[in-house]
Amino acid sequence: DTAVSQTPKYLVTQMGNDKSIKCEQNLGHDTMYWYKQDSKKFLKIMFSYNNKELIINETVPNRFSPKSPDKAHLNLHINSLELGDSAVYFCASSEGLTLRGEKLFFGSGTQLSVL
Amino acid sequence: SQQGEEDPQALSIQEGENATMNCSYKTSINNLQWYRQNSGRGLVHLILIRSNEREKHSGRLRVTLDTSKKSSSLLITASRAADTASYFCATDAKAAGNKLTFGGGTRVLVKP
Repeated sequence: DTAVSQTPKYLVTQMGNDKSIKCEQNLGHDTMYWYKQDSKKFLKIMFSYNNKELIINETVPNRFSPKSPDKAHLNLHINSLELGDSAVYFCASSEGLTLRGEKLFFGSGTQLSVL
Repeated sequence: SQQGEEDPQALSIQEGENATMNCSYKTSINNLQWYRQNSGRGLVHLILIRSNEREKHSGRLRVTLDTSKKSSSLLITASRAADTASYFCATDAKAAGNKLTFGGGTRVLVKP
């Protein structure tokens, strides 16, 4: 069984559309994350939830809205997609909070292409 | 700017050779981790070293940490073609809040 699974793997869409990426983890972890990897491979954290509570909200446009219906799921909804949103989005989870030296478990990524 | 920056950005070696990459960071850290990313895949955790540790080993991996220089190195010994991947360091720092901050990675190509 895949520990952290996200869907879809590829997402091609037009500018202005709204899209969602889903993520689920079956590790029983308390904390989940969304990271964005740009074309130069830099990974930047976007959001983090701990037990369904938002704990990290980086400087991300309001068009991005995370939703955590339970601690095993963290979805990412993006409104009014723009060309600059094209990137690979990674979901990740950790048992606790990274300040305690927890390691992250990553999904395989969603490659978003906005045309 | 990124907390961790890897050097070199890219590395090409022959199978059997050692690969060394470095990570520098700006602020005092709690822990430093190394991850591997194969092409088109998610990152996989390799090793964690705490701020009070100087060296750790895991199989063919050796990680060092020099907090006075704010740097870490990852050594892969006797490299294999399967080691071809990007390698990222990640730090969690008191000043950075409750998050793990990644560098831009070192792309390693191991030629058979």
